[in-house]
Amino acid sequence: EVQLVESGGGLVQPGGSLRLSCAASGFTFSTYIMNWVRQAPGKGLEWVSYISGSSSNIYYADSVKGRFTVSRDNAKNSLYLQMNSLRAEDTAVYYCARDGRGDVWGKGTTVIVSS
Amino acid sequence: DIQMTQSPSSLSASVGDRVTITCQASQDITTYLNWYQQKPGKAPKLLIYDASILEIGVPSRFRGSGSGTDFTFTISSLQPEDFAIYYCHQYDSLPFTFGPGTTVDI
Repeated sequence: EVQLVESGGGLVQPGGSLRLSCAASGFTFSTYIMNWVRQAPGKGLEWVSYISGSSSNIYYADSVKGRFTVSRDNAKNSLYLQMNSLRAEDTAVYYCARDGRGDVWGKGTTVIVSS
Repeated sequence: DIQMTQSPSSLSASVGDRVTITCQASQDITTYLNWYQQKPGKAPKLLIYDASILEIGVPSRFRGSGSGTDFTFTISSLQPEDFAIYYCHQYDSLPFTFGPGTTVDI
């Protein structure tokens, strides 16, 4: 079964850091572009970051550029999002999604930035 | 950045109704347009990709059309399980962007 499972969310103080993980299974992870998408409470979807299969191409939304770092370990079938200098407005459910089509999504992990 | 707009922002409908949602891109995205359905507390689900291609397993009452900047999503006969929020999403160029969503409720 094709599956993505996010983990690593939690409550963090403003200015703090978190590292999210996304474990992939059921497909050849290294051949797919992966994305992080977030959704603030009661709001719409916001694309956060993109990483190509080989990690040669990486892009970020302006809202997180310089604070977030996306990476992947194809040997471990895993995608990561290192989030630093967190702000209240980063509070959201974070999803990993496969490919530009977004044909497979995880269930999400919740990040709450609050003092 | 490509801006995506959706209309309407919400609509009320009944089971059996035909529902149409439009999505407009601020520049030409050819057919790099997806439609997602999201229910409360759940991840988005891909329904239509490349503007008009039905994702495997998605009922045929869902239909997408359009190219360039103007796109349409239609549910031919609304079913009880279709009450949800629908988003369009362009992946023609980065940053990828989503429409603001259309809530379909009773």
